[in-house]
Amino acid sequence: DAKTTQPPSMDCAEGRAANLPCNHSTISGNEYVYWYRQIHSQGPQYIIHGLKNNETNEMASLIITEDRKSSTLILPHATLRDTAVYYCIVRATNTGNQFYFGTGTSLTVIP
Amino acid sequence: EAGVAQSPRYKIIEKRQSVAFWCNPISGHATLYWYQQILGQGPKLLIQFQNNGVVDDSQLPKDRFSAERLKGVDSTLKIQPAKLEDSAVYLCASSLVVTGGAGELFFGEGSRLTVL
Repeated sequence: DAKTTQPPSMDCAEGRAANLPCNHSTISGNEYVYWYRQIHSQGPQYIIHGLKNNETNEMASLIITEDRKSSTLILPHATLRDTAVYYCIVRATNTGNQFYFGTGTSLTVIP
Repeated sequence: EAGVAQSPRYKIIEKRQSVAFWCNPISGHATLYWYQQILGQGPKLLIQFQNNGVVDDSQLPKDRFSAERLKGVDSTLKIQPAKLEDSAVYLCASSLVVTGGAGELFFGEGSRLTVL
């Protein structure tokens, strides 16, 4: 079962930063936080993941709180193509670990 | 690098008929997953393979669903007989096995099933 809680929907103005929160208060020490997004009629696409430290790549930044009970995905300059459902997932690193998706946050970028 | 390939993209069948979906993972990816995504919901894991062995099939409705991954490469997901509630997108994903680390999933575009 999904171990994360996300708001069902959010809006963001084009060109502004989109900050998507995720609560994972029961996260274990060996569990990573992953973010995926799903654009309509496509399969989910990997964005970023992290364990303890904040992470940044060409798509986004991931900010994980010190207690690791929550995180925020930041899209620094949202574009219309960022309109999608964003999933936050926690996943252990032991063999046989699975990715469990919740219902995600539907982000709409507004022109 | 070629992505995860799935076919068919779309399938419409009558209830009680059977259907099969095929998946070819990214070359070298030992782990393969099948997910079911019902409209408005997140993907739900049905089965996970590592090479040709089943790691987890706890959420697979085994009375009507079956999956196999012969030779540890391609995989087939079958539904027989189909029910109306099986209407969904069936997503295949693959990943490298990363011991002690974090391997990301790569998804195909999915196979959309409509059961009438």
